[in-house]
Amino acid sequence: NAGVTQTPKFRVLKTGQSMTLLCAQDMNHEYMYWYRQDPGMGLRLIHYSVGEGTTAKGEVPDGYNVSRLKKQNFLLGLESAAPSQTSVYFCASRRTSGGTIPYEQYFGPGTRLTVT
Amino acid sequence: QQQVKQSPQSLIVQKGGISIINCAYENTAFDYFPWYQQFPGKGPALLIAIRPDVSEKKEGRFTISFNKSAKQFSLHIMDSQPGDSATYFCAASKGGDSSYKLIFGSGTRLLVRP
Repeated sequence: NAGVTQTPKFRVLKTGQSMTLLCAQDMNHEYMYWYRQDPGMGLRLIHYSVGEGTTAKGEVPDGYNVSRLKKQNFLLGLESAAPSQTSVYFCASRRTSGGTIPYEQYFGPGTRLTVT
Repeated sequence: QQQVKQSPQSLIVQKGGISIINCAYENTAFDYFPWYQQFPGKGPALLIAIRPDVSEKKEGRFTISFNKSAKQFSLHIMDSQPGDSATYFCAASKGGDSSYKLIFGSGTRLLVRP
């Protein structure tokens, strides 16, 4: 049981280049999230998905797109990378709440992206 | 506008001491308050969480104190150990939001000296 995995672990892009970050989970979770982590700003939600085929915008969605074609995978795309997108990106997943108590989000190990 | 304010930004504690991290929020719709622990090079992991219907929750050396009227909550780490050295994030989630999106504080870097 690998939990949440992210590919790649590190990446350097030049301004204007595109790339896709892959998140995969083997826990059969319905909910998946993409965050970015910047010094002094905590984690900020980029996009999220409440199930296969659905996506929604989070707090900082500009410059990013996502897709959830399969339940276990959540892709984050950067169409035209900018230096402001230099960050550490985390994916998380969560199972459907069985009541009024939300369940924990399980995080992947992160992808460190540098845009020059 | 930061919805969850966390302090201090960094904290140094001697082994065996008490570490205290504070968070404050404005939105009274928040009804779930977890704390996440993150070690260098790793993703955050849930440490402990509380709902506003209780004022305190304890798990081992970790305690959350919750003050609903002041809209504040804090993490206390008793008998702090060097292995507790990590970054801690408080977070909040809105009731009625079925996606249970988390809004995180800015983080506190804790160093426990041996």
